[in-house]
Amino acid sequence: SAVISQKPSRDICQRGTSLTIQCQVDSQVTMMFWYRQQPGQSLTLIATANQGSEATYESGFVIDKFPISRPNLTFSTLTVSNMSPEDSSIYLCSVPNWGETHSGANVLTFGAGSRLTVL
Amino acid sequence: QKEVEQNSGPLSVPEGAIASLNCTYSDRVSQSFFWYRQYSGKSPELIMSIYSNGDKEDGRFTAQLNKASQYVSLLIRDSQPSDSATYLCAVMSSGGSNYKLTFGKGTLLTVNP
Repeated sequence: SAVISQKPSRDICQRGTSLTIQCQVDSQVTMMFWYRQQPGQSLTLIATANQGSEATYESGFVIDKFPISRPNLTFSTLTVSNMSPEDSSIYLCSVPNWGETHSGANVLTFGAGSRLTVL
Repeated sequence: QKEVEQNSGPLSVPEGAIASLNCTYSDRVSQSFFWYRQYSGKSPELIMSIYSNGDKEDGRFTAQLNKASQYVSLLIRDSQPSDSATYLCAVMSSGGSNYKLTFGKGTLLTVNP
């Protein structure tokens, strides 16, 4: 299984500031996914980060608020811009495990997450 | 809007009992179904997957799928305190080229010694 390192693991931020979360994978992956898990809520896909092209955002998420970089096949960053208390959440990076399938679909592995608190 | 519904719980069972976790989904073309376990403060980890109607067993875990009823469940036999966690149901709507999972809110399970 892929090993994912995320940082920061947690941070407390001031309203109006921006924070960049880094995701490093120990193997090359074509797609990386960014999820958000708000308190008491399910995981919601923010965007898919593709190397060499712009990220694909899900409904309700925009590039100006969540810019994503994908400079190579092992690394991606997610920036949470102009933060408000509503952005307090856990942000998780995820990648498919190539060669490891369950029921014909590739398994997703998640990083440990970055817990952001916006004051 | 694809939806995955779970009882949020908490579900409390005594040690050694069977824990039953349920999930319904709205997208009829969903093909693959997953159960993730998430300990407090940790990332989700996959514990079971199923794509055919019926039961699939793996150790103490059994996943059950009924596509006609759009229902998937997870049974945990001989529950242990270490099983105490939030269990997330996830649904994937198409084949292996699409990794987009829709998650339920999760069910908090507490196994009491």
